[in-house]
Amino acid sequence: DTEVTQTPKHLVMGMTNKKSLKCEQHMGHRAMYWYKQKAKKPPELMFVYSYEKLSINESVPSRFSPECPNSSLLNLHLHALQPEDSALYLCASSQVTGLATQTQYFGPGTRLLVL
Amino acid sequence: TQLLEQSPQFLSIQEGENLTVYCNSSSVFSSLQWYRQEPGEGPVLLVTVVTGGEVKKLKRLTFQFGDARKDSSLHITAAQPGDTGLYLCAGGPDSWGKLQFGAGTQVVVTP
Repeated sequence: DTEVTQTPKHLVMGMTNKKSLKCEQHMGHRAMYWYKQKAKKPPELMFVYSYEKLSINESVPSRFSPECPNSSLLNLHLHALQPEDSALYLCASSQVTGLATQTQYFGPGTRLLVL
Repeated sequence: TQLLEQSPQFLSIQEGENLTVYCNSSSVFSSLQWYRQEPGEGPVLLVTVVTGGEVKKLKRLTFQFGDARKDSSLHITAAQPGDTGLYLCAGGPDSWGKLQFGAGTQVVVTP
């Protein structure tokens, strides 16, 4: 089983709203990732969690706040977003980081529209 | 920064034709993944290649990793409309878990 699940599938929010994106995997993976993807572009890395600790923040604005409550769950809290933040948000997981051959498995994504 | 150049950017072919997508870098990658993505969905892993010179086959798809582990290709034989999608190559990851993505190749196969 190589399934990563994400909820919700679609989200529309105003610039003053607070919402959260959720990601879950039950593959025993200890590394989890958030990516942002614009149409017809490759995914851009936002955050990396390794063993439930934040290991990479790719200079993401503070209106995006990640959280890893346990080894299976990853959240992305959203607050005061801008219309340009509208994108497909992807979660991925891998067994660990630090090993060169660790394949990342992606979830189906959350399509976010900020009005 | 290791850069991956993917070509072509766009490919439109008729059903039954063959196609090849290329992924090239001046840097050595420890491994390389190929993903296919459909609109509004997440990338789906097709293959991971690790060994220089490696060739992997997945039904009508053939993946090759260059001897020097700097380049890779994806060849599709007798393409079908279901092969339509955005094909992404991704090198690495590095020790921090970062993948280097190519820009993607949009493939359209018409009946």
